[in-house]
Amino acid sequence: QVQLVESGGGVVQPGRSLRLSCAASGFTFRSYGMHWVRQAPGKGLEWVAVIWYDGSNKYYADSVKGRFTISRDNSKNTLYLQMNSLRVEDTAEYYCARDSREMATIWYFDFWGQGTLVTVSS
Amino acid sequence: DIQMTQSPSTLSASVGDRVTITCRASQSISRWLAWYQQKPGKAPKFLIYKASSLESGVPSRFSGSGSGTEFTLTISSLQPDDFATYYCQQYNSYSTFGQGTKVEIK
Repeated sequence: QVQLVESGGGVVQPGRSLRLSCAASGFTFRSYGMHWVRQAPGKGLEWVAVIWYDGSNKYYADSVKGRFTISRDNSKNTLYLQMNSLRVEDTAEYYCARDSREMATIWYFDFWGQGTLVTVSS
Repeated sequence: DIQMTQSPSTLSASVGDRVTITCRASQSISRWLAWYQQKPGKAPKFLIYKASSLESGVPSRFSGSGSGTEFTLTISSLQPDDFATYYCQQYNSYSTFGQGTKVEIK
């Protein structure tokens, strides 16, 4: 069955960096676009970034553009989110999510990981 | 940017009730709308895509409708497992979620 397992969250000071990982299994990872979605404590969902199945295109929310970088290693079935210049307002649960369509990017998400919590605090 | 507004923010209902949640887009998104269910401490669960297409395995008591700027999610007979927060998401242009509607026990 499809499994997405995030890791790498933790407590970090403002201005520092953190890299999240999402290990995928149970499907052909290289055939699916992947997204990061976050949720601040007690708040709603916010889409963060997407990467095409082959890594050829990447898009970001304005709130993270220039600070976050999405990437993937299809040989390791792993998705990444490099987060630089972190701000207090980046505090959230970060979910990786699979795009619903194989070999395309449709922008809705059929499987989600369990999330990893990032806390930015001095 | 396309803004999504859900109403109500909270809905109190009883088991067996028919429940309707509304989602409005700030501009037309055709039918490029999805719905998700989220329970406390859990990841969202995908329910509906293209405004009215039910994901495989989702109970038929869930249904979606609408196009353009106004959409609804309906639960025909609320079950104990349905008490949760529901989010709409537009995917016409990038991706934006509504603020959520919490369905609580009356």
